[in-house]
Amino acid sequence: AQSVTQLGSHVSVSEGALVLLRCNYSSSVPPYLFWYVQYPNQGLQLLLKYTSAATLVKGINGFEAEFKKSETSFHLTKPSAHMSDAAEYFCAVSSAGGTSYGKLTFGQGTILTVHP
Amino acid sequence: NAGVTQTPKFRILKIGQSMTLQCAQDMNHNYMYWYRQDPGMGLKLIYYSVGAGITDKGEVPNGYNVSRSTTEDFPLRLELAAPSQTSVYFCASSYMVGGETQYFGPGTRLLVL
Repeated sequence: AQSVTQLGSHVSVSEGALVLLRCNYSSSVPPYLFWYVQYPNQGLQLLLKYTSAATLVKGINGFEAEFKKSETSFHLTKPSAHMSDAAEYFCAVSSAGGTSYGKLTFGQGTILTVHP
Repeated sequence: NAGVTQTPKFRILKIGQSMTLQCAQDMNHNYMYWYRQDPGMGLKLIYYSVGAGITDKGEVPNGYNVSRSTTEDFPLRLELAAPSQTSVYFCASSYMVGGETQYFGPGTRLLVL
């Protein structure tokens, strides 16, 4: 079985401040990990993904995430928040094998608010 | 290249009515998925398909049915709508599984009263 926990359903930062969204996963087999972003009234868009290559993954819009196997974490960061980053962010895990192979399991989501 | 399209965007159903949510993709993807999104719950997999004629249940399949007669289309059928099916429904597709990106449609908002 696989699962994802996102710590903090709401995160609020000032424009220009560091963005840190936390994600911990559980998987009995090597995981694939994803961050998706959802803007209001839209579908989900991929930000970045880890597929067992480099542990530090860079994505679109200046976001990056680091896969830490020992901590079972895949936290999302951005050095300087922009107003346009305000959205809901989802961490998701897929397995490279087992009964959950290929199926995405999502976390509960974190709503990011950016204030001037 | 339209990607993944869904119709309708919004629908109100009465309890006990039925409807079909349409999903189509033009990327020649083998894998297609239906999710529902409820506030604070993330997305839950309802059904998925690995190719035309092949479908399987996800985490929350009760009250729904699917079929896949072509590579492009993956409709979701709601029979005997219930208030618990009030949700936002997303269709997605991917070329492969595992580490492949899933591409999402814009969603269908359904309200059952």
